[in-house]
Amino acid sequence: DAGVIQSPRHEVTEMGQEVTLRCKPISGHNSLFWYRQTMMRGLELLIYFNNNVPIDDSGMPEDRFSAKMPNASFSTLKIQPSEPRDSAVYFCASSLGQGVVETQYFGPGTRLLVL
Amino acid sequence: AQKVTQAQTEISVVEKEDVTLDCVYETRDTTYYLFWYKQPPSGELVFLIRRNSFDEQNEISGRYSWNFQKSTSSFNFTITASQVVDSAVYFCALPYKAAGNKLTFGGGTRVLVKP
Repeated sequence: DAGVIQSPRHEVTEMGQEVTLRCKPISGHNSLFWYRQTMMRGLELLIYFNNNVPIDDSGMPEDRFSAKMPNASFSTLKIQPSEPRDSAVYFCASSLGQGVVETQYFGPGTRLLVL
Repeated sequence: AQKVTQAQTEISVVEKEDVTLDCVYETRDTTYYLFWYKQPPSGELVFLIRRNSFDEQNEISGRYSWNFQKSTSSFNFTITASQVVDSAVYFCALPYKAAGNKLTFGGGTRVLVKP
């Protein structure tokens, strides 16, 4: 079975450009999470969805970040405009449910470098 | 609020030595789960184990074992007879029930196994 799929795996862009990260969760999973990993802050949750609905976006750094989940098999995380401090690895994870504690399975991550 | 502490930032061992990774957590939940993930040099996050607070029995999976002690709020992880392939960063994580079970991660412990 396919795991969580993320694209692109690597992204290099210049400050001010728009960046879109994509995620396809595991089929049948109804919770989706976006995490960011940096050396300074470690792994932190940005936003999560349950049944395609954003439940908690309190971890989104600022208005430059937005996330959508138009259907059960696709989500995007957009940064516009990007800044050098957004350089990080962005992980998408999915799990079976929200009400009970299910295991979150992570995608391979997108390594973003903003110059 | 929740907190996960992995006091060891880096451990270096020689192949075939045992290595134990410490994880101490804080939570107000009376029932909860704990997770360990592995992040090899390639960067992905790999799920290792999920344990619930009802069950304090030690768990063994091959060369991996986990010691859960509710009384000391610890969930330690031991790799027996370490191998070079065990070189990775290991994260302990605690779901936050009040926030959709988003994972609170410890800072991670880097394990370096030398041949």
